[in-house]
Amino acid sequence: DADVTQTPRNRITKTGKRIMLECSQTKGHDRMYWYRQDPGLGLRLIYYSFDVKDINKGEISDGYSVSRQAQAKFSLSLESAIPNQTALYFCATSDLPGGGEETQYFGPGTRLLVL
Amino acid sequence: EDQVTQSPEALRLQEGESSSLNCSYTVSGLRGLFWYRQDPGKGPEFLFTLYSAGEEKEKERLKATLTKKESFLHITAPKPEDSATYLCAATENSGAGSYQLTFGKGTKLSVIP
Repeated sequence: DADVTQTPRNRITKTGKRIMLECSQTKGHDRMYWYRQDPGLGLRLIYYSFDVKDINKGEISDGYSVSRQAQAKFSLSLESAIPNQTALYFCATSDLPGGGEETQYFGPGTRLLVL
Repeated sequence: EDQVTQSPEALRLQEGESSSLNCSYTVSGLRGLFWYRQDPGKGPEFLFTLYSAGEEKEKERLKATLTKKESFLHITAPKPEDSATYLCAATENSGAGSYQLTFGKGTKLSVIP
């Protein structure tokens, strides 16, 4: 089974609709992240969470919100979707063991199309 | 503005033809430099993290190196299965409790049999 899962894998929605993308991980990591990837722009950080009580905005948080329901679950919401939020969305997790190196693990991605 | 720039954007190699991919960064106070491999339609796959100038790490045909301004991903005798987009990313020491991660746009590598 995959360590980081994302649902749905593909989603088509209409402008103005609220949608939620979900991420679950079985790696036991405290740190979780949401990114979006656009052709020609690379990956950009939307939100990150270093533990269940910690939520932080990333580079492009406007129009998005997140919820860290448990150590293993981190959801991304688009309150009112707009066409320029059409992108490939990735969830990632990482750990930073004391004195060790950080390793990030990405989910398979959710392809979102906003009409 | 902190930047991570990868070159070339695309690279075609014959099988067995060694080469290097470049990642230059301007983040202040580098905390870590990451390399990932991404196959079409999939999430990035972690390859390496480098923390200090002079550091090198190897994995099969790949070797990553780091200087104060750039990182190289050396590919020795590549095979067609090495074809993918290679991404680098940099984190900086941006203060307690904060996190800044900047990705480059990637180098698309094609290895021709």
